[in-house]
Amino acid sequence: EDQVTQSPEALRLQEGESSSLNCSYTVSGLRGLFWYRQDPGKGPEFLFTLYSAGEEKEKERLKATLTKKESFLHITAPKPEDSATYLCAVRGSGGSNYKLTFGKGTLLTVNP
Amino acid sequence: GAVVSQHPSRVICKSGTSVKIECRSLDFQATTMFWYRQFPKQSLMLMATSNEGSKATYEQGVEKDKFLINHASLTLSTLTVTSAHPEDSSFYICSAGGANTIYFGEGSWLTVV
Repeated sequence: EDQVTQSPEALRLQEGESSSLNCSYTVSGLRGLFWYRQDPGKGPEFLFTLYSAGEEKEKERLKATLTKKESFLHITAPKPEDSATYLCAVRGSGGSNYKLTFGKGTLLTVNP
Repeated sequence: GAVVSQHPSRVICKSGTSVKIECRSLDFQATTMFWYRQFPKQSLMLMATSNEGSKATYEQGVEKDKFLINHASLTLSTLTVTSAHPEDSSFYICSAGGANTIYFGEGSWLTVV
C-alpha cells in the first residue's frame, strides 16, 4: 500500500524567511510524485510532477526536488500570498490509472 | 483557467433528499475521473474512480448505493448523494487528468440540514 507522510504539519515563517517542506513516501513503482497548493475552501491547484530521483522543478519562489524516499518543496523568500496548505501525493504502479495517494499536508503561514 | 469544473460550488439540501454534483473536464477528454471527500483540516480521501462507459470503482467503506456515480461522457461525471444525512455534509472534489498532470475541480460544499 502506498503511503505518504508530510512534515511539518504546520509551519510559520516571516516574509523572506526561506524554508523547506518534506514529503516522505513509500510506493510500489513510482509513476509520479505530485505537489499541490490548496487554499481554504478550494480545490487543490497543481504545482509540479516529479518522476525520478534527482529531478528538480521550479516555479517562481517554489522548487521541488525528489529522491528515492522523499521530496522537498523549497520556498525561497516567501510572501504572505504563499500561505496555503501544500499537499504531496504519489501515484504508484499498483493502483488504477491516475489514482493518487495523498499526505495530510503542511499548513504554511507567512507573516508580513 | 480552470480545466476541471464542478457545479454547484455550494448546495444546501434537506435530510432525506438527493443532490447531484457535476464534474466536467473543459479542455480534454477524461476516461477516468476521481471523486474525493475532504473533512475540515483533513487531507483528501478518495471515494471512487469514475470510469466512462462502465461502473465506478468504490474505495473500501464507501457505500455505492449512497454515492451514485455516473460517467456518461468523456467530459462529464456526476456524483449523486442519495438520502442525504447531516453526516454527509462535507467538501467534495473531483479530479481528472493524464499521465503528467492531474487537475482538480474547485470543489463542492454540501450542507445537509
